[in-house]
Amino acid sequence: GQNIDQPTEMTATEGAIVQINCTYQTSGFNGLFWYQQHAGEAPTFLSYNVLDGLEEKGRFSSFLSRSKGYSYLLLKELQMKDSASYLCAVTDSNYQLIWGAGTKLIIKP
Amino acid sequence: GAVVSQHPSRVICKSGTSVKIECRSLDFQATTMFWYRQFPKQSLMLMATSNEGSKATYEQGVEKDKFLINHASLTLSTLTVTSAHPEDSSFYICSARTTSDTEAFFGQGTRLTVV
Repeated sequence: GQNIDQPTEMTATEGAIVQINCTYQTSGFNGLFWYQQHAGEAPTFLSYNVLDGLEEKGRFSSFLSRSKGYSYLLLKELQMKDSASYLCAVTDSNYQLIWGAGTKLIIKP
Repeated sequence: GAVVSQHPSRVICKSGTSVKIECRSLDFQATTMFWYRQFPKQSLMLMATSNEGSKATYEQGVEKDKFLINHASLTLSTLTVTSAHPEDSSFYICSARTTSDTEAFFGQGTRLTVV
């Protein structure tokens, strides 16, 4: 079967760095997405990786290793507004989006 | 987590015809449903937000007469692509949430190909 695993919840301190991991097992691979979702709002796109390596975008970076079926989202200089759920999603060989359950990130002062 | 079922997963239709996509919340009442469109290797684009019993709120640039959304019950929302054209070929995905649960749960998506 197809499966996306990411931690259910993480807690970090304002100003610190946090890494959210995502492992996947899918039938084929056509890219991995990270989304941010604030409570009560629709998710917003953060990053897309299709090749191995690190993609940096401001305070957020995303890493992919296709051979390991692994990705992480790295958030630096954490701010209170970063408290949200972070969704990992993989596009399989049929371009179906396989979603992780999301990681709820709690930022403490 | 809660389950959202989207059907069909794939559909091919002829240009000029209409296609209906269903989104069902299987084990919770979905007061709000979101419809997204995603082109290959791009992010999800929110098309509209629908609340049960109310008219859908469409995002800027989305034609409400072309993409008809009905959210008549707490467990079902439908998106109808009317008079489909090849440029409407895309991946459509719904998500749903309740008033008491702030998380939105997503359907599996529908791959629409208009030929």
